[in-house]
Amino acid sequence: QKEVEQNSGPLSVPEGAIASLNCTYSDRGSQSFFWYRQYSGKSPELIMFIYSNGDKEDGRFTAQLNKASQYVSLLIRDSQPSDSATYLCAVNYGGATNKLIFGTGTLLAVQP
Amino acid sequence: DTAVSQTPKYLVTQMGNDKSIKCEQNLGHDTMYWYKQDSKKFLKIMFSYNNKELIINETVPNRFSPKSPDKAHLNLHINSLELGDSAVYFCASRRQLNTEAFFGQGTRLTVV
Repeated sequence: QKEVEQNSGPLSVPEGAIASLNCTYSDRGSQSFFWYRQYSGKSPELIMFIYSNGDKEDGRFTAQLNKASQYVSLLIRDSQPSDSATYLCAVNYGGATNKLIFGTGTLLAVQP
Repeated sequence: DTAVSQTPKYLVTQMGNDKSIKCEQNLGHDTMYWYKQDSKKFLKIMFSYNNKELIINETVPNRFSPKSPDKAHLNLHINSLELGDSAVYFCASRRQLNTEAFFGQGTRLTVV
């Protein structure tokens, strides 16, 4: 089992719809979780982080964490063509360590 | 001012050569990383340093040798380059455990 897993996509949604991106992780000791966005040819940039079970909202973005199910998701409301990018889930693996592990990323395409 | 900067941005070299990539961060962070991103966008952790000390060394061939002269700099030297080393190499830094990582702009290495 991979440490952090994501569906590689592409995930295609129409403009204005909700995009739902999912991520599972294998280590129950993981404590912090991050969503990064990466445009083609650019470096990853942080969208959101989440540490506690439940939902965390920031503008059009909502991160959801369920530690019992080892599952973290990102919802993007009112998707825009400018949201088209690869979304990377990252997990601070193994609790209090520096091991920041990334999933394979999900390519999101928002159709105008 | 660029927070995490890498040089060079592009590197084209022949098989068997030795090359170095440099990284500097001006954020005052204690932890720095090297990641390799392949053509499928998978960001694989290679090394992590904390305050100049190597703390993570993933299963990377020993042709790859990181060096941290001080906590603001982390360089990557690669000996006897192979075709499979072609990828984008990202440097990143973070302040402490469980905080976000900031990425450099990446170095696209092409081995011919």
